[in-house]
Amino acid sequence: KAGVTQTPRYLIKTRGQQVTLSCSPISGHRSVSWYQQTPGQGLQFLFEYFSETQRNKGNFPGRFSGRQFSNSRSEMNVSTLELGDSALYLCASSLGGTENEKLFFGSGTQLSVL
Amino acid sequence: GESVGLHLPTLSVQEGDNSIINCAYSNSASDYFIWYKQESGKGPQFIIDIRSNMDKRQGQRVTVLLNKTVKHLSLQIAATQPGDSAVYFCAEGDQTGANNLFFGTGTRLTVIP
Repeated sequence: KAGVTQTPRYLIKTRGQQVTLSCSPISGHRSVSWYQQTPGQGLQFLFEYFSETQRNKGNFPGRFSGRQFSNSRSEMNVSTLELGDSALYLCASSLGGTENEKLFFGSGTQLSVL
Repeated sequence: GESVGLHLPTLSVQEGDNSIINCAYSNSASDYFIWYKQESGKGPQFIIDIRSNMDKRQGQRVTVLLNKTVKHLSLQIAATQPGDSAVYFCAEGDQTGANNLFFGTGTRLTVIP
């Protein structure tokens, strides 16, 4: 069974631009979560999507948004990029139950904002 | 909100020895805990999880211990191998059951051949 796939693997953008990251979950998984990882802040939860709806949201500004498609694939968008948005963006999928469950992470998209 | 912290940012062990990585959490109502391993250039990889109705859970070469009295979690790796070198994160589940994990800062484990 294929794991979580994230594209692209690396991205370089400049301040003010916007970016879209893509995530394909493990087959059968209906929940997709996004995390930001930086050396200073560690791993921080951005949001979770289930059945094409945002089910939970972390404490990030509105510049960070996402969506989920009917096949459970998800995209994350960051608008008006800032230098501080440089980070590894990780997508994780899970079955999507109502209890805490293990998340399976992709390898991430390394975003550099210049 | 929840706060999860690791006791040591780095840990070095000899190959073949056992490793113990510790983690403290702040929310006594938390009922789900999970350990991840992250190698350079990769995403976190699931190791083992435990719910609060258990004190101990074992996997292949790994054991997680949960002490709810002192809000402490540990990961034990038996017969540590060079391939175990990585950063290890403990994480605490959101009380609501949402897939929102609060991660600790991580411990870098280095295995000395």
